[in-house]
Amino acid sequence: DIQMTQSPSSLSASVGDRVTITCQASQDIRKYLNWYQQRPGKAPKLLIYDASNLQTGVPSRFSGRGSGTDFTVTISGLQPEDIATYYCQQYDYLPWTFGQGTRVEIK
Amino acid sequence: QVQLQESGPGLVKPSETLSLTCTVSTGSIRGYYWTWIRQPAGKGLEWIGRIHSSGGTNYNPSLKSRVTMSVDTSKSQFSLKLNSVTAADTAVYYCARDAGSFGYWGQGTLVTVSS
Repeated sequence: DIQMTQSPSSLSASVGDRVTITCQASQDIRKYLNWYQQRPGKAPKLLIYDASNLQTGVPSRFSGRGSGTDFTVTISGLQPEDIATYYCQQYDYLPWTFGQGTRVEIK
Repeated sequence: QVQLQESGPGLVKPSETLSLTCTVSTGSIRGYYWTWIRQPAGKGLEWIGRIHSSGGTNYNPSLKSRVTMSVDTSKSQFSLKLNSVTAADTAVYYCARDAGSFGYWGQGTLVTVSS
């Protein structure tokens, strides 16, 4: 299985800060990487697909980049509603696998 | 806007079979893969497997020996069976549409394994 490693596991930032979460794959997954946001008690929500494409309706402060084994998602100007856990997920090789999650909190 | 809704027992006894159904509404079930994902309380997401509307399946090798998925296109439903459950199978179970990415999810249903 492809192992997905996210860092950090959690972070605390102020409203308006730029926040970056990293995801590393255990082998080359080309561009086949998605990012999800999960608010407490809710189902995950797709934010970014194919590493850098913003899902319809997602605010433009979210952006993704990367290819191969190293990927990032950035929130440019953290908002209170961005408090959530963020997961990366690869879909180049079955079984699809997720990172362990990054919890984002407001300082 | 595709809508999905999980249904099934919230409590299953150890060693028995967990059975869940996902109903797809406001959209066609045909031509897509449909997936099951679970999340133990306070933990991350685990992909269980997927089924195509034609019946083809892919399962996570970690669960493959215990998982069976099926689809009923006439009812716009697909189902999950997980046998020989233990407390480790206690989780929120989600269904979702699988395009490699999961753009549509059900709200999730908590299944507790306990006697």
